[in-house]
Amino acid sequence: NAGVTQTPKFRILKIGQSMTLQCTQDMNHNYMYWYRQDPGMGLKLIYYSVGAGITDKGEVPNGYNVSRSTTEDFPLRLELAAPSQTSVYFCASSYGQGATYGYTFGSGTRLTVV
Amino acid sequence: AQKVTQAQTEISVVEKEDVTLDCVYETRDTTYYLFWYKQPPSGELVFLIRRNSFDEQNEISGRYSWNFQKSTSSFNFTITASQVVDSAVYFCALSADYGQNFVFGPGTRLSVLP
Repeated sequence: NAGVTQTPKFRILKIGQSMTLQCTQDMNHNYMYWYRQDPGMGLKLIYYSVGAGITDKGEVPNGYNVSRSTTEDFPLRLELAAPSQTSVYFCASSYGQGATYGYTFGSGTRLTVV
Repeated sequence: AQKVTQAQTEISVVEKEDVTLDCVYETRDTTYYLFWYKQPPSGELVFLIRRNSFDEQNEISGRYSWNFQKSTSSFNFTITASQVVDSAVYFCALSADYGQNFVFGPGTRLSVLP
């Protein structure tokens, strides 16, 4: 039972560098989400996807891009890293709409931009 | 707009004490879901409970219980006979029926001392 797997767990980036946060789920969930958690705060939605080939912006999408070429994978791309993107990133998935079915979260990726 | 307030930033109790974590929410939707998640020091998010807006019955699961009161827009969480392993940050979250976004509260950090 892998659930939602995120890699890497930790990463330090220099300002202006790019990277992709990987997220894979093996539960055949249609819905996938990316959240960020700033220190001492709750989670904020970056992007979400309701199925392969479909993505949409959440509350804080600026500076990020996503793609959903398969049901299993939902990578998050940071093109030009900025210190404001220092955060913990969580990927989540749900069978249907998250409100109805609840989310399964990955273990998070802690990103520091210096 | 939806909002979740967790007024208690940090709570410390001694093992075996009972503790209640408060959650107050705001929404104009008539159908919505409320959640509690636990985030232990290891960082993952653990689902605890989901409650829809039409079900005001209190729920008990072992040492955990939840009190949902629509009249006061509250969804409080009580841990009975707390244990050191209960030490974590607890998040209350709200989602409208057809919304893709969970609105998370800022969390309450619970420390259970031996």
